Amino acid sequence: GAVVSQHPSWVICKSGTSVKIECRSLDFQATTMFWYRQFPKQSLMLMATSNEGSKATYEQGVEKDKFLINHASLTLSTLTVTSAHPEDSSFYICTPQGAATEAFFGQGTRLTVV
Amino acid sequence: GQNIDQPTEMTATEGAIVQINCTYQTSGFNGLFWYQQHAGEAPTFLSYNVLDGLEEKGRFSSFLSRSKGYSYLLLKELQMKDSASYLCAVRDGDYKLSFGAGTTVTVRA
Repeated sequence: GAVVSQHPSWVICKSGTSVKIECRSLDFQATTMFWYRQFPKQSLMLMATSNEGSKATYEQGVEKDKFLINHASLTLSTLTVTSAHPEDSSFYICTPQGAATEAFFGQGTRLTVV
Repeated sequence: GQNIDQPTEMTATEGAIVQINCTYQTSGFNGLFWYQQHAGEAPTFLSYNVLDGLEEKGRFSSFLSRSKGYSYLLLKELQMKDSASYLCAVRDGDYKLSFGAGTTVTVRA
């Protein structure tokens, strides 16, 4: 199955600053990456679909200008939370698109905005 | 979109069997996944079903009935380390996963 590396594992930032989260596909080329977030005691919700070489598509209710996604290569997708606020504190996690019988996730990034 | 329902909580005794049910209504179906998630960690893949029937993997088994929009995850010989949240997820034709709210399983001695 796919090996996905996500960095950082956790980050604390001040309100108003930006945070970049990286998601790397280590053993195969991912043309598409899905970004999810999970608020405490809730399930994972799809935020956006990252497409290599083109614009990301965002789910309803997710601000594209706040959550900037870049997928410049087949092995790296990044999510930048701009002007972070405490309500953006969440668990962010990525997974590559695929027809595989197993869907693997990165380790996740715990973001805390203070 | 997808509508996925699973119980919020279940409690069982060590060594027992627990069955977590999941029902779904989908606009497209391309497989059903079960994940285990411990607090503060990423989900860990447990099982995948795309055809009707039972898939067995050691102490864990998963069943799917596509006509009924129904799946269950069976955990046998429960161990304390099995205390976790179990997530049912349905994949659509675009390979997007939609998750249920998760079932918190508590295993007691």
